[in-house]
Amino acid sequence: GENVEQHPSTLSVQEGDSAVIKCTYSDSASNYFPWYKQELGKRPQLIIDIRSNVGEKKDQRIAVTLNKTAKHFSLHITETQPEDSAVYFCAASGGYGNKLVFGAGTILRVKS
Amino acid sequence: GAGVSQSPSNKVTEKGKDVELRCDPISGHTALYWYRQSLGQGLEFLIYFQGNSAPDKSGLPSDRFSAERTGGSVSTLTIQRTQQEDSAVYLCASSLARTSLSSYEQYFGPGTRLTVT
Repeated sequence: GENVEQHPSTLSVQEGDSAVIKCTYSDSASNYFPWYKQELGKRPQLIIDIRSNVGEKKDQRIAVTLNKTAKHFSLHITETQPEDSAVYFCAASGGYGNKLVFGAGTILRVKS
Repeated sequence: GAGVSQSPSNKVTEKGKDVELRCDPISGHTALYWYRQSLGQGLEFLIYFQGNSAPDKSGLPSDRFSAERTGGSVSTLTIQRTQQEDSAVYLCASSLARTSLSSYEQYFGPGTRLTVT
């Protein structure tokens, strides 16, 4: 089955700097890759996603890149702000009706 | 409209007792998923419903776990003879029908925090 590895497990950046979180997946049939942000005690919130027919997607300060050949995808946050501090999870899926397989999460701390 | 809701938000139970957790998906969402998140861990898939049927139950940890969905809407997850290792946050997610362009997106409820003492 699918296996998703996520790095780093913790990341501290200075406010205004960029943050990059990387994930690799094992199943070449996976075609959907969402990223979730989870604040302490809250539900996971979908922040951006990408499908396998696209190499990059951007939404304001957040971007995701996908390399299907290497089976890895990354989350890029620019101009980080203290409110970006949270746990970020990547996931991989075969699409509709398929479970999400999650990475172990990255604790992002943005220091002001 | 309203998001995914779950009840109760917190449940403390004694080892050996049965518990029922409830999920109300977003109206019109035909797909429903249950996940479990242990303390400081990622999310682990339990079961997926399409309408009232469950084509994928591969994540249920043991036969003490079962789930049902009625009317294509509300779902309940039942854990029988609870054990301490069942303590976790149980999260429900839902998504639109396959025909929707957004059908891949899963939206999560706030979860039920289960503590087995």
